[in-house]
Amino acid sequence: SAVISQKPSRDICQRGTSLTIQCQVDSQVTMMFWYRQQPGQSLTLIATANQGSEATYESGFVIDKFPISRPNLTFSTLTVSNMSPEDSSIYLCSVDSVPEAFFGQGTRLTVV
Amino acid sequence: QQQVKQSPQSLIVQKGGISIINCAYENTAFDYFPWYQQFPGKGPALLIAIRPDVSEKKEGRFTISFNKSAKQFSLHIMDSQPGDSATYFCAASANTGRRALTFGSGTRLQVQP
Repeated sequence: SAVISQKPSRDICQRGTSLTIQCQVDSQVTMMFWYRQQPGQSLTLIATANQGSEATYESGFVIDKFPISRPNLTFSTLTVSNMSPEDSSIYLCSVDSVPEAFFGQGTRLTVV
Repeated sequence: QQQVKQSPQSLIVQKGGISIINCAYENTAFDYFPWYQQFPGKGPALLIAIRPDVSEKKEGRFTISFNKSAKQFSLHIMDSQPGDSATYFCAASANTGRRALTFGSGTRLQVQP
């Protein structure tokens, strides 16, 4: 199994600012995924991040709002830009470690 | 076609009872069906997963039943315990193309002592 570390675990941010979330994996993985879990809701895929290529965003999510970096096979960042209270959610990093898929503990973001 | 429908939304079971959560999917390309358990303030933890080449998989008190023709799968928790009280998510993904998981809406399980 893959061990995934996310930083920060939680943060409270002012509206209009940006927050960068880091995801570190203990092994090399081809595909990393970023999900959002709004309060009391299920997980929704934001984007897929492959090393060496642009991230692929799902419908409703755009690069200007959620820029993603994937500099190597063990690390990725997600930035939540120009935040509003509607961005208050848990943001989760996941890796596709065949045959299973694992998640980090998530970053609980509150925008005030 | 990407949806995974999960039911019930919430479930209350007595200690020692059987908890059953059901999921249905439409995308026939899905070939990986995991279940995740999530406690408040934590990320989802992989509980058990199945691939369509088998109809059932059991790990301890947790069993997945899979019906490929009906495009349905379910989680059974035998001898449910108060410590099992959590939110459970089913999910599905395909081995090709879009590899990300598509999640069900979640089931909040409460096991009463």
